[in-house]
Amino acid sequence: ETVLTQSPGTLSLSPGERATLSCRASQNIGNNRFAWYQQKPGQAPRVLIYHVSNKATGIPDRFSGSGSGTEFNLTISRLEPEDSAVYFCQQYDGSFSFGPGTKVDI
Amino acid sequence: QVQLVQSGAEVKKPGASVKVSCKASGYTLSSYAMHWVRQAPGQRLEWVGWIYAGNGDTQYSQKLQGRVTITTDKSASTVYMELTSLTSEDSAIYYCARNVAGTGWYDPWGQGTLVTVSS
Repeated sequence: ETVLTQSPGTLSLSPGERATLSCRASQNIGNNRFAWYQQKPGQAPRVLIYHVSNKATGIPDRFSGSGSGTEFNLTISRLEPEDSAVYFCQQYDGSFSFGPGTKVDI
Repeated sequence: QVQLVQSGAEVKKPGASVKVSCKASGYTLSSYAMHWVRQAPGQRLEWVGWIYAGNGDTQYSQKLQGRVTITTDKSASTVYMELTSLTSEDSAIYYCARNVAGTGWYDPWGQGTLVTVSS
């Protein structure tokens, strides 16, 4: 099974700043089968990015995804207060697994 | 719009079974796979299994194989996840999530169902 590790565990930033969240996979993820989700307290997860860099419908332009192989990043270019949430990564390359999440405090 | 609405919270005793429902609206259930994912307190999300309502194909997590069954009632646009022989380690929020276009990412998710296993 592919294990995903996220860093940092918590990120405390101010509105307008840039956030870079990382996710590392224990083995190569092929065919860009990688996604990012946002989860706010008491809510279900919401997809932000799929296939490494494709934005889901309705996701603001300040969110972007990049990476390949075993290293992936989610960038939030200009943080807004409503971006406070837990962000977790997912791989779906033959199996399904999730990272532990990065909490973003704004 | 596409929406998944799950059944309410459950409290079960160890050894019992639980069956959680997920009613889909806004799309044709048979055209997509539905996955179940759970999240225990303080733990990462864990994949439980999926069903393709079009032909009834299923796949389950090796960890839960033998205890989990996912079924559908297409006439009711509803997917069910049943877990048997419950232990405290099964206490979690259980989510259904629509698999998009046979890939593996999910949109949308249900609101979640809290299952508590306690004596």
